[in-house]
Amino acid sequence: DGGITQSPKYLFRKEGQNVTLSCEQNLNHDAMYWYRQDPGQGLRLIYYSQIVNDFQKGDIAEGYSVSREKKESFPLTVTSAQKNPTAFYLCASSIDHLPAGTFDNEQFFGPGTRLTVL
Amino acid sequence: QKEVEQDPGPLSVPEGAIVSLNCTYSNSAFQYFMWYRQYSRKGPELLMYTYSSGNKEDGRFTAQVDKSSKYISLFIRDSQPSDSATYLCAANDYKLSFGAGTTVTVRA
Repeated sequence: DGGITQSPKYLFRKEGQNVTLSCEQNLNHDAMYWYRQDPGQGLRLIYYSQIVNDFQKGDIAEGYSVSREKKESFPLTVTSAQKNPTAFYLCASSIDHLPAGTFDNEQFFGPGTRLTVL
Repeated sequence: QKEVEQDPGPLSVPEGAIVSLNCTYSNSAFQYFMWYRQYSRKGPELLMYTYSSGNKEDGRFTAQVDKSSKYISLFIRDSQPSDSATYLCAANDYKLSFGAGTTVTVRA
């Protein structure tokens, strides 16, 4: 089955710890994205990658880091510098970066990881 | 100010009613406008998209864009309990900008 997977589904972290969220896709997509979703705020872009070994900051990159060593993988690390990390994190991929989000270049979303900081 | 504004609701309607969802946006460079549907604890899925101003119909769903007033709408006719979800509007320039999402409940 082709698709995009995220793991784990639920994650608990103590304050001061770094944690890495996994995102894998087998759709052969060049572009991958990380979003954060908070109640009443919609989706906000953290980082995106247009191609392997390249990534760009989104609107809220502070306290997060990413890598794109393989086309199919785009892990997100939530560092201890992120002041309010409790949120629902969504990974997405598309054939390429532009134009973003249309039917010809739809962003497919994974099922999400809910991160809770204790 | 957010680039795409959406009333988060929640919105509750009886089965068979018309659901009307709206967003406004501020960036004149937006050309593509989208509606996503997100079921609870799932990732969003693309429902409809419209390029520039105009209407687009797909079954019970109609998307409208009025670029002169920077207004985006989604109408769901003959709503069903399975339509209960959060609906997010979005628009793009070099990236997608999302509204806050409106949670819709269709009561059987």
